[in-house]
Amino acid sequence: DADVTQTPRNRITKTGKRIMLECSQTKGHDRMYWYRQDPGLGLRLIYYSFDVKDINKGEISDGYSVSRQAQAKFSLSLESAIPNQTALYFCATSDRGTSGRNNEQFFGPGTRLTVL
Amino acid sequence: GENVEQHPSTLSVQEGDSAVIKCTYSDSASNYFPWYKQELGKRPQLIIDIRSNVGEKKDQRIAVTLNKTAKHFSLHITETQPEDSAVYFCAARAEYGNKLVFGAGTILRVKS
Repeated sequence: DADVTQTPRNRITKTGKRIMLECSQTKGHDRMYWYRQDPGLGLRLIYYSFDVKDINKGEISDGYSVSRQAQAKFSLSLESAIPNQTALYFCATSDRGTSGRNNEQFFGPGTRLTVL
Repeated sequence: GENVEQHPSTLSVQEGDSAVIKCTYSDSASNYFPWYKQELGKRPQLIIDIRSNVGEKKDQRIAVTLNKTAKHFSLHITETQPEDSAVYFCAARAEYGNKLVFGAGTILRVKS
């Protein structure tokens, strides 16, 4: 089945380290997103990309960067991790849609990141 | 930008009872409102959505209502079952923005 996958699933790191979270999809979708989930705060958008040459900041992009290496891959980097970046990170994808239709976002399984 | 508020943050109901979760949004340009369900340790999954040209939509035991004038929308679950226990998120999206803004989530517990 077509799916969205994330690696690693769990990561513990130390303050100041550079971390990369990877997302791959076999759904053939153009659009990819990175969210972080914190208890009581819901899902907040970090970055999103509508195609390989398109990168857009979300609500909370400070301290993060992304790379869209191919249609199927979207990586999130923390250049210098800090403890308040401890969270559950989700990648999501959606189709382009037609005639302005809004399309379902499909989420990956999540990466639990702990910054000590 | 868009702001979405969701209430209540936790909700406990007896099996068989109904559950209602409410959300309000701030951007009158928002025209798409999905609801996602996240079971413990799992990824969020879409359960129902509604566009702004529709006032109500049903799918078996779940329904969503939208009041554009008041800028609020609600999720209704009837005849709740233990497997309905999860975190539910509402979201809103404006056509021009093309990105979802989520509410903070509601933890629903169905007691058997």
